[in-house]
Amino acid sequence: GIQVEQSPPDLILQEGANSTLRCNFSDSVNNLQWFHQNPWGQLINLFYIPSGTKQNGRLSATTVATERYSLLYISSSQTTDSGVYFCAVKITGSRLTFGEGTQLTVNP
Amino acid sequence: DTEVTQTPKHLVMGMTNKKSLKCEQHMGHRAMYWYKQKAKKPPELMFVYSYEKLSINESVPSRFSPECPNSSLLNLHLHALQPEDSALYLCASSQVLRGPDTQYFGPGTRLTVL
Repeated sequence: GIQVEQSPPDLILQEGANSTLRCNFSDSVNNLQWFHQNPWGQLINLFYIPSGTKQNGRLSATTVATERYSLLYISSSQTTDSGVYFCAVKITGSRLTFGEGTQLTVNP
Repeated sequence: DTEVTQTPKHLVMGMTNKKSLKCEQHMGHRAMYWYKQKAKKPPELMFVYSYEKLSINESVPSRFSPECPNSSLLNLHLHALQPEDSALYLCASSQVLRGPDTQYFGPGTRLTVL
């Protein structure tokens, strides 16, 4: 099956810092989603981005499908950004495959 | 409205109990999913329903029994669980099973088996 690798596994930031999270995948995909799992367990949709670039406030994402990677940018981080960020991908006809996640801690 | 709701939020049960988890969506989605998530791991797929029919069972033990009474509702019946079944159970939905569209997740039920 498809392999999904996320880096870094852990990231600690001071409030106000910027960060970049990476997701590499081993095959062509027709679905790529970024999620934020908050400390209460809720998986929040951040982006549906199988290709191209999107922005939503302080967050933006870019997927380069031909090179099989996606990047999530967080600018001016806040303590509420803490949690686990998951990348998940899907090939036509298959199920959503998650990476292991990046644990982000933003300190005040 | 892109909301998936789950009840209860928390559940504590003994190994001889029978309980049910409930999931609901009103987005007109025809694919619904149950995932299990252990601490510090990504969600693992358990079951998928497509147009109210069980489409995927990821070799889940029979002590977990899914049910899809209609296109908006998904239940997970629990019986004779083991302590290692303690986890966060997440429900999700998408427009269709085979398409490239977004999956939306509910807030989860945190289950503890004593």
